[in-house]
Amino acid sequence: DVVMTQSPLSLSVTLGQPASISCRSSQSLVYSDGNTYLSWFQQRPGQSPRRLIYQVSNRDSGVPDRFSGSGSGTDFTLKISSVEAEDVGVYYCMQGAHWPRTFGQGTKVEVK
Amino acid sequence: EVQLVESGGGLVQPGGSLRLSCAASGFTFSSYTMYWVRQAPGKGLEWISYISISSSTIYYSDSVKGRFTISRDNAKNSLYLQMNSLRDEDTAMYYCARGAGDYDSSIDYWGQGTLVTVSS
Repeated sequence: DVVMTQSPLSLSVTLGQPASISCRSSQSLVYSDGNTYLSWFQQRPGQSPRRLIYQVSNRDSGVPDRFSGSGSGTDFTLKISSVEAEDVGVYYCMQGAHWPRTFGQGTKVEVK
Repeated sequence: EVQLVESGGGLVQPGGSLRLSCAASGFTFSSYTMYWVRQAPGKGLEWISYISISSSTIYYSDSVKGRFTISRDNAKNSLYLQMNSLRDEDTAMYYCARGAGDYDSSIDYWGQGTLVTVSS
């Protein structure tokens, strides 16, 4: 199985400051069609997950542009350019290039 | 508006069975693949099963293979998860989710979840 490793596992960020979460996969997430299948999800306290980013860097409709995704191959990053209070929660990466689908352990973001 | 509403969770003894349902609305259910994903209390997300549009392709995680069965009824816009031989470690919130993207490489909508507690 592809192991997804996130770091850090916990992040405390001052309001208005940037935040960055790393996600590394144990195998390349480049599929045979040449595309890379890595998604990011946000789970606010007490809520279901919500997708933010798909195929590494495509933002979902309604997702603020302070969220951005980047990376390639096995190394990916989710960045929040200026953290807001509503960004508190746990962030997960998920690979969609291999079965079984696997998630990272999650990164808990708190706002100071 | 896409809606996924899970039901059927509850308290069950180890070794028991439970059937979860997921009612879909707001989209053409028969045109989308579906997933079940679970989350143990205070833990991360774990993919457990996938079903294609016509039910011709089904996958399970090793943790539930042989015990859980995913199915769907496109006429009823519903997804199911039959859970047998339940163990303590199956205690979790179970989410129904819609597959998305090329090769169903992602999930774009999640339900609110239904809680399954396995305990004597």
